[in-house]
Amino acid sequence: AQSVTQPDIHITVSEGASLELRCNYSYGATPYLFWYVQSPGQGLQLLLKYFSGDTLVQGIKGFEAEFKRSQSSFNLRKPSVHWSDAAEYFCAVGAYNQGGKLIFGQGTELSVKP
Amino acid sequence: DTAVSQTPKYLVTQMGNDKSIKCEQNLGHDTMYWYKQDSKKFLKIMFSYNNKELIINETVPNRFSPKSPDKAHLNLHINSLELGDSAVYFCASSQSLTETQYFGPGTRLLVL
Repeated sequence: AQSVTQPDIHITVSEGASLELRCNYSYGATPYLFWYVQSPGQGLQLLLKYFSGDTLVQGIKGFEAEFKRSQSSFNLRKPSVHWSDAAEYFCAVGAYNQGGKLIFGQGTELSVKP
Repeated sequence: DTAVSQTPKYLVTQMGNDKSIKCEQNLGHDTMYWYKQDSKKFLKIMFSYNNKELIINETVPNRFSPKSPDKAHLNLHINSLELGDSAVYFCASSQSLTETQYFGPGTRLLVL
């Protein structure tokens, strides 16, 4: 069955510290992957995406993610977190011939300590 | 300019009522979607439309009826609202079925 797992429900980091949010997927087909961010009461904003090519992708707001096919992972990283990064982060996976269906992880809530 | 817009932003209604949520995108995309986010923030696809044609109906009760009058609009009509329909409904669009999806701001539906 297709699934996306974000093992960490809630993470707290200090401002200026580095961040890694984990995402693992189980998919029968070759996937494409996204990270979205959702601030309270807001919609989902695309941070970055991977379809093919270089497995290290850069996104907005200083985020990057690395696709590791052997580990079925697509972890999100940021070298130095800012207080404004506090939000909910969602990993999503899609595949060709799936009618555009994205499967989302459960989300990781990020809190930032001053 | 808002790329994907939804109206209304908030919707509070009684059980048994019928309501509609409208979605418009000005990105020139061919594909549009409805997702539901439950109280635990879990997001699940409900429908996808490509060139006004229904592609996915993800085992959604037939009280939910999407309508796409043109490629820029995908509305969601819900009949006989139930308490369990309370959620945030997100519209999204993409250039095609296999490209990046851009989400609207969401409609927060509360059924009393």
